[in-house]
Amino acid sequence: NAGVTQTPKFQVLKTGQSMTLQCAQDMNHNSMYWYRQDPGMGLRLIYYSASEGTTDKGEVPNGYNVSRLNKREFSLRLESAAPSQTSVYFCASRQGPVSNQPQHFGDGTRLSIL
Amino acid sequence: QQPVQSPQAVILREGEDAVINCSSSKALYSVHWYRQKHGEAPIFLMILLKGGEQKGHDKISASFNEKKQQSSLYLTASQLSYSGTYFCGTVDRGSTLGRLYFGRGTQLTVWP
Repeated sequence: NAGVTQTPKFQVLKTGQSMTLQCAQDMNHNSMYWYRQDPGMGLRLIYYSASEGTTDKGEVPNGYNVSRLNKREFSLRLESAAPSQTSVYFCASRQGPVSNQPQHFGDGTRLSIL
Repeated sequence: QQPVQSPQAVILREGEDAVINCSSSKALYSVHWYRQKHGEAPIFLMILLKGGEQKGHDKISASFNEKKQQSSLYLTASQLSYSGTYFCGTVDRGSTLGRLYFGRGTQLTVWP
């Protein structure tokens, strides 16, 4: 039971570099989400995809782009990394956008930008 | 739209009880509760859907007061394993995409 798998688990970047965080789920879920978690701030939604083929901005989308590659995969891209994007990034999935279903989280990607 | 959790932190001895509150300025459809241990992913605890609904999971239970737009999480006879950060997530009434807004979390520490 893999659930939600995120890669990489850790990454250090220099300011201005780009990278893509990968997320895949094997639960046949329709909805997928990207969050960032900073100390004392809780989980803040960056982007989400309610269903395959759709993506929408969350609370903190600036500096990020996403791609819903297929039903299983949802990637997050940092085009030009900034120190303010140092954070722990979580991907999550849910059966659908209906609110009585839980979200399942991946183990996170710890990203440091120097 | 981010719900407000209180208290920010709780320190308990094993066997003591705790209550964590979550309130929103918006009319709510549902409230979700998650627990996160240090360095790990948040884990789902329960969802409350209806006003006045109460749910239980072992010695952890929760209530949802739809009229007050509030939910409370009750931890009874706390165990060392209850330590972690608890998050509530709320879904606004009328939301078509069921988007969750998470609170900033309540850090619970249980000492032996």
